[in-house]
Parts: sequence; C-alpha cells; structure tokens
Amino acid sequence: GIQVEQSPPDLILQEGANSTLRCNFSDSVNNLQWFHQNPWGQLINLFYIPSGTKQNGRLSATTVATERYSLLYISSSQTTDSGVYFCAVASVRSSGGSNYKLTFGKGTLLTVNP
Amino acid sequence: GAGVSQSPSNKVTEKGKDVELRCDPISGHTALYWYRQSLGQGLEFLIYFQGNSAPDKSGLPSDRFSAERTGGSVSTLTIQRTQQEDSAVYLCASSLSQVTQYFGPGTRLLVL
Repeated sequence: GIQVEQSPPDLILQEGANSTLRCNFSDSVNNLQWFHQNPWGQLINLFYIPSGTKQNGRLSATTVATERYSLLYISSSQTTDSGVYFCAVASVRSSGGSNYKLTFGKGTLLTVNP
Repeated sequence: GAGVSQSPSNKVTEKGKDVELRCDPISGHTALYWYRQSLGQGLEFLIYFQGNSAPDKSGLPSDRFSAERTGGSVSTLTIQRTQQEDSAVYLCASSLSQVTQYFGPGTRLLVL
C-alpha cells in the first residue's frame, strides 16, 4: 500500500514562531487531508488538498502532487496549536479508484510554549 | 450544528467479552467511517458505509469485528470475544461526499 512519511516527528516552538510540516507519499493520490489532533484526542480537519494551495487564517497548505509531497504552514503559532498534525492520503492504486480509504502518516507532534 | 458523537467515551471490559460502540454521524452525511488509533499501529481505516451500498469492510482486522449502519444514520461497531490487542481508541467519522471527513471524539477501549 501507499507509504506516508511525515517530518519532523517532533517540533517545539515558542509562541509567535512559524513552522513548516512536511508529508511525503509514495504513490499518486486522489485525496489528501491534513488533520490536527488536539491534546484531548479530537481530530479536526484542517484542509482537503489533493493538489494546489489553500489558506485558512494562520494556516496554509500546498500539495505538489507530481512530486508527491504536501506542506502545512503554521504562522504566528499559538499555544492552542499544540497537538499532533496528521497527513492522510488515499491512493488511486491501492484504494481501487476510491478516494475515501485514508492512510495516515505517523504525525508531527507540535508543542508551542508560551 | 452538532458534530459526530460517539458513545461510550470510555469502555473497560474483560478479555473474552463482547463490546458495542456507537456512532451518531452529522445529520445528512451519507458516508460514515470507522478508524482505530493505537500506539503501535497509528490510525487505521476499518470500514466505510455509503448510503445503501454494501459497506467496504476491507480494513476490519478479524472476523471478530463487525459493523452495521441502521437507517443510513447511526452505526454500531461490535467486537466479539475481545482481546487485549483490541485496546485502542475507536474513531468514527462522517462526510457529505468521499472527501472531507469529520471525526467524533472517539471511544477509548481498554481490554483487561
């Protein structure tokens, strides 16, 4: 099946700093989503972005499908940004053409200190 | 509106017992998913329901696991003869289409 690698595995920032999280995947995708799992375990959808660039407030994401990677940018980080960020993809090949069977990466654990 | 809800929030059971986990999707969402999150395996897809179509059960780890969705809304995940390796957080998600998935808070299952 498709492989999803996220980097870095851990990241510690001071409040106000910017960061870039990366997601590499091993095959063509027809679905890519970024999620934030807060310290209480709730998974929150940030972006659906199988290609292109999107922005939502201090967060933005870019997926370069032809080069099989996606980036999540967090600007002016806040303590509430702490948690685990997951990239999840559906592969055209391994999901039989469907786009719902997400494979998750291991995540990036972000800690933002005040 | 209300998000995805799951019950119970926590469940402790003894090895060999059966458990039922419930998911109430967002109203109007036709697609419903179950995932499992464990320390060793990360987040894994279990099963997918879409409307009245046959579910995609390809992620279920063994025949002890089953799920149903009644009336196109509420879903129940059943684990029979629980084992210690079934201990995990079971997450439910729903979506309008096969794209953006909205997750519930999860059920934390501990098998003693």
